[in-house]
Amino acid sequence: SQQGEEDPQALSIQEGENATMNCSYKTSINNLQWYRQNSGRGLVHLILIRSNEREKHSGRLRVTLDTSKKSSSLLITASRAADTASYFCASVNQGGKLIFGQGTELSVKP
Amino acid sequence: DTEVTQTPKHLVMGMTNKKSLKCEQHMGHRAMYWYKQKAKKPPELMFVYSYEKLSINESVPSRFSPECPNSSLLNLHLHALQPEDSALYLCASSQDIQAGWITGELFFGEGSRLTVL
Repeated sequence: SQQGEEDPQALSIQEGENATMNCSYKTSINNLQWYRQNSGRGLVHLILIRSNEREKHSGRLRVTLDTSKKSSSLLITASRAADTASYFCASVNQGGKLIFGQGTELSVKP
Repeated sequence: DTEVTQTPKHLVMGMTNKKSLKCEQHMGHRAMYWYKQKAKKPPELMFVYSYEKLSINESVPSRFSPECPNSSLLNLHLHALQPEDSALYLCASSQDIQAGWITGELFFGEGSRLTVL
C-alpha cells in the first residue's frame, strides 16, 4: 500500500508565486524525501529531512516535517516556468522500503 | 545529468519476446533498485539489491527476472510480458542499505519506456 498521500493532486500558478505541496504518511519514519520528475524523465532527489528535524532549506525549497501529524510540506518560493514538474514525497516504511506518495503535478505559467 | 545510465531508452516487444533492460552506475553505490511507473502514477518498487544480493522482491511476477552481475550493473530480464506491463521502468541506486533499511537518497536513471504489444 502507498505510504504517502499528497495534496493537491494538481496545482497551477503564475511565475513568481509560491507553491506549497503537502504530504501525509501512515507509519513511523526514519526520514522523508522529496523528488521532482519532469514529464517522461527520471526522478531527481530534492531534499531529505530526518525524523528529528522540523525544517530544512535548500535554495528556493523549504521542507517542514511534523511527525506528530505524520505530515510534511514542500514550499517552492518565487516559482519559475522550469519548476513545472511532478513532485513526489517518499518515506521509508516499516519494511525498510522507500515508498512514494501519489504526487502533485505543478504547472507554472510564464 | 544523471549518473545512472539506463538502456535502451525505448523498447517495443511482443508478448513472446525475450528482452533485457540494463542499468549501470559508477558512483560506488552498493544498493540498486528497479521501480515500475505507469502514467500519472508514482513509482512502485519491484526489486532491491544490496551488495549484489537480492534483498527485496515485491511479489513481482516471474516474467520479470532481475540480475546483478556486479556492483555497477543491474539487469531486468523480460519474458512473456503482457500489454499491462507497458510502463516506464526506472533504475536507481543509493550508497547502501543499513540493516535492510533505505537511509539515504536514491539516484534515478532516465528510465526505459517499455511497450508490450
